Amino acid sequence: EPEVTQTPSHQVTQMGQEVILRCVPISNHLYFYWYRQILGQKVEFLVSFYNNEISEKSEIFDDQFSVERPDGSNFTLKIRSTKLEDSAMYFCASTQGTSGETQYFGPGTRLLVL
Amino acid sequence: QKEVEQNSGPLSVPEGAIASLNCTYSDRGSQSFFWYRQYSGKSPELIMFIYSNGDKEDGRFTAQLNKASQYVSLLIRDSQPSDSATYLCALGGGRRALTFGSGTRLQVQP
Repeated sequence: EPEVTQTPSHQVTQMGQEVILRCVPISNHLYFYWYRQILGQKVEFLVSFYNNEISEKSEIFDDQFSVERPDGSNFTLKIRSTKLEDSAMYFCASTQGTSGETQYFGPGTRLLVL
Repeated sequence: QKEVEQNSGPLSVPEGAIASLNCTYSDRGSQSFFWYRQYSGKSPELIMFIYSNGDKEDGRFTAQLNKASQYVSLLIRDSQPSDSATYLCALGGGRRALTFGSGTRLQVQP
């Protein structure tokens, strides 16, 4: 069964460093998403992406964040200058986007900012 | 601002019993409702979705939606210890961002 994959599974970085989280969505899906979950808190939406542009973003997704689809398979989230409060689990999700479709989540990247 | 409310639990039920998980939401315009299961340290896993008022059954799971009361629930019949997890209610779907509740932790006692 096709699934969303994410790399790395864990990332430790120093505050102020740039990180890139990578995702490979399900191959016939057209809409891609990033969510995050701070430990013990709810899953929060960051950004959605369709047709090579951002279609929706939350207040969390400020200028420190960017997304890109550099090729036909990868979807990346970049955090330019990490803060301690960026420590969280980051989930990528994808959907075909037709009415009735659901979002399928990848296994996540656990980011720890020291 | 969409809000999704869930009792954090834990909800403890004995093995074989019915577990009832509830969710209320604030956005009357919400059309699509989802239940995800999340094991500790893992990603959300879709259990089922519901769009229409009434009940929808899938195996041991039944989702119930009442749009007038802005209420959606999940029943798990014949609960198993492997069902012990956090159950997340979410609104949205299709192309729109999902709005999640905080989740209800379910413990099934053997």
